[in-house]
Amino acid sequence: DGGITQSPKYLFRKEGQNVTLSCEQNLNHDAMYWYRQDPGQGLRLIYYSQIVNDFQKGDIAEGYSVSREKKESFPLTVTSAQKNPTAFYLCASSEAFAQHFGDGTRLSIL
Amino acid sequence: DAKTTQPPSMDCAEGRAANLPCNHSTISGNEYVYWYRQIHSQGPQYIIHGLKNNETNEMASLIITEDRKSSTLILPHATLRDTAVYYCIVRVRMDSSYKLIFGSGTRLLVRP
Repeated sequence: DGGITQSPKYLFRKEGQNVTLSCEQNLNHDAMYWYRQDPGQGLRLIYYSQIVNDFQKGDIAEGYSVSREKKESFPLTVTSAQKNPTAFYLCASSEAFAQHFGDGTRLSIL
Repeated sequence: DAKTTQPPSMDCAEGRAANLPCNHSTISGNEYVYWYRQIHSQGPQYIIHGLKNNETNEMASLIITEDRKSSTLILPHATLRDTAVYYCIVRVRMDSSYKLIFGSGTRLLVRP
C-alpha cells in the first residue's frame, strides 16, 4: 500500500545528542513537510521541501536540520541546539490539494 | 498565528449528525479551508476542503458562508470511530508551495 512511513515510533535522546527521525514515502509526491506538535496544540511547520536537493525553513526551524537527497526520503535531525525537543513529530507529503501524514515519532529527553 | 477559531470540545450521540463550527474571519480570497482530524497518537487524516462553494465527499460535508468568514463541517451519521480532534485549517501560500496553519482544534466525543 502507498503511504508515509515514519520511524522509529518512539525515540529517546540524551542531553547534547543529535537524533535523526526517518520519513519515507512511496506516493511519488514531490513535496514533503515536517511538523512539530506539542500537547494539546496544533501542528507547527519546521521545514518543507518542494523538490530533491531543495528545502526551505518553516516557522520553527531553529535547532533542526533536514536533507532531501532522494524523492522518497526527507529525514529530520533534531540537534543539540534545540532546547526543548520533547514533542510529537509528524512528516507529510502532498499532491495537488492535500497533505498526507505519517503516524509520527514521539521524541523524549532522558 | 492560527487563522481559525474553534470550540475546544463538543459531543454528539452516535447516529446523529455532528456539526463542527469554525470561524476564519481574516481569511483571504484565495485561501482554502481544510478540515483534518486526528485520533490520539496518529497523524492527521484529511477530510475535506473548499474555497467558496459547499463540498461533499464520502466522509463529510463542508458548508462555507457566503462571506467566507465561517464554515461548518458536518458528519452526517456520527459513529464511535469519529471520536477525534478536528482541525479547521487555512491553507496559505508560501513561495512556490503552501502551508497549513493549524489551530487547537475541537475535541469531538461521540456518545453511544
